[in-house]
Amino acid sequence: GNSVTQMEGPVTLSEEAFLTINCTYTATGYPSLFWYVQYPGEGLQLLLKATKADDKGSNKGFEATYRKETTSFHLEKGSVQVSDSAVYFCALRGYQKVTFGTGTKLQVIP
Amino acid sequence: GAVVSQHPSRVICKSGTSVKIECRSLDFQATTMFWYRQFPKQSLMLMATSNEGSKATYEQGVEKDKFLINHASLTLSTLTVTSAHPEDSSFYICSTLWRTNNEQFFGPGTRLTVL
Repeated sequence: GNSVTQMEGPVTLSEEAFLTINCTYTATGYPSLFWYVQYPGEGLQLLLKATKADDKGSNKGFEATYRKETTSFHLEKGSVQVSDSAVYFCALRGYQKVTFGTGTKLQVIP
Repeated sequence: GAVVSQHPSRVICKSGTSVKIECRSLDFQATTMFWYRQFPKQSLMLMATSNEGSKATYEQGVEKDKFLINHASLTLSTLTVTSAHPEDSSFYICSTLWRTNNEQFFGPGTRLTVL
């Protein structure tokens, strides 16, 4: 079946540091890929998505590129802020269902 | 994105009692809703898919008699945890499906603690 593997956290960075959260997937067919963010005490919010190979999703300074050859969808941001502190989930949607990774907690310190 | 509400946000109950969690789609009529369970430091696990006007489809390993799902209207789905036990303590999250582009919107979750 489908699966998503993302790097374990927590990840602690200083403000303005570069962020990478790795995500790889296993899926049949051509899934859509997503990054969701969960702020403390809140539900999941869609951060960005890509629906086909080589697509780049971007939002709020975050980017991720759908790499079919490496089955990856790594999340990057050039300069993180304290307000980016949250849990980030990589996910894929195959036929109807969404499969989530285990989440990576990001803590940005001033 | 679309707004999904859940009620209650937190509930504490005694072992053996039943707890009902409501999920409402506030911005559109959702024929399909999903219920997830999230364990600490773990991913969201899909429990069941709820379709308006029909029986829910449960994932393997999820007891349908324990986790009763009712999707009686296009804006409301309920999850009832029957005869709750401490091992049912978890964070339950619902999600609506917007069929126009198959995008999912998530509720804020309900923290269930069974004593």
